[in-house]
Amino acid sequence: GESVGLHLPTLSVQEGDNSIINCAYSNSASDYFIWYKQESGKGPQFIIDIRSNMDKRQGQRVTVLLNKTVKHLSLQIAATQPGDSAVYFCAEKGGTGGFKTIFGAGTRLFVKA
Amino acid sequence: ETGVTQSPTHLIKTRGQQVTLRCSSQSGHNTVSWYQQALGQGPQFIFQYYREEENGRGNFPPRFSGLQFPNYSSELNVNALELDDSALYLCASSLGRTPKETQYFGPGTRLLVL
Repeated sequence: GESVGLHLPTLSVQEGDNSIINCAYSNSASDYFIWYKQESGKGPQFIIDIRSNMDKRQGQRVTVLLNKTVKHLSLQIAATQPGDSAVYFCAEKGGTGGFKTIFGAGTRLFVKA
Repeated sequence: ETGVTQSPTHLIKTRGQQVTLRCSSQSGHNTVSWYQQALGQGPQFIFQYYREEENGRGNFPPRFSGLQFPNYSSELNVNALELDDSALYLCASSLGRTPKETQYFGPGTRLLVL
């Protein structure tokens, strides 16, 4: 079945370093890939998305890379700050899943001061 | 803040009871999706409403039902509560139902079933 998974459940980085969070997906027909940030006690917050016809998209301090050949998605956070500490989810929608957004299990990012 | 609000914030029920959770969409959004998030897991899609009609459903039993009102606010109803229904329930609103539309999530309602 469809699934979106993450390689590592926990990532610890030093403040100021760059963070890379990885995600694997299995549905080659997915049309959109999205990254969400969820802080404790809050709902997921949209960070950035990328359509399947792109391989890179940049936002403010974040970059998403999509490698359709190996079905891999990554989120790069530049100059990681303590406020970046949260759980990050990759998700996919569109394609055969249609309107459904399918989330992975999440990666917890710890930023050390 | 996304402008999506949910009530109540927390709720405790006993097995077999019924519960209604509420969601107010961001202004101008006509589509609402509901998700269940168990502790330590990603959100799981329950169903989506577009202009007051159910637009699609995930793998949840019929005791999970919903409504969307003319002002696009929404309710999630769960009958015959089970212990495994304990979770954070999230709603998300969007400008439309197509995959390209960004979903904006509310803070969630945490439900505990005893």
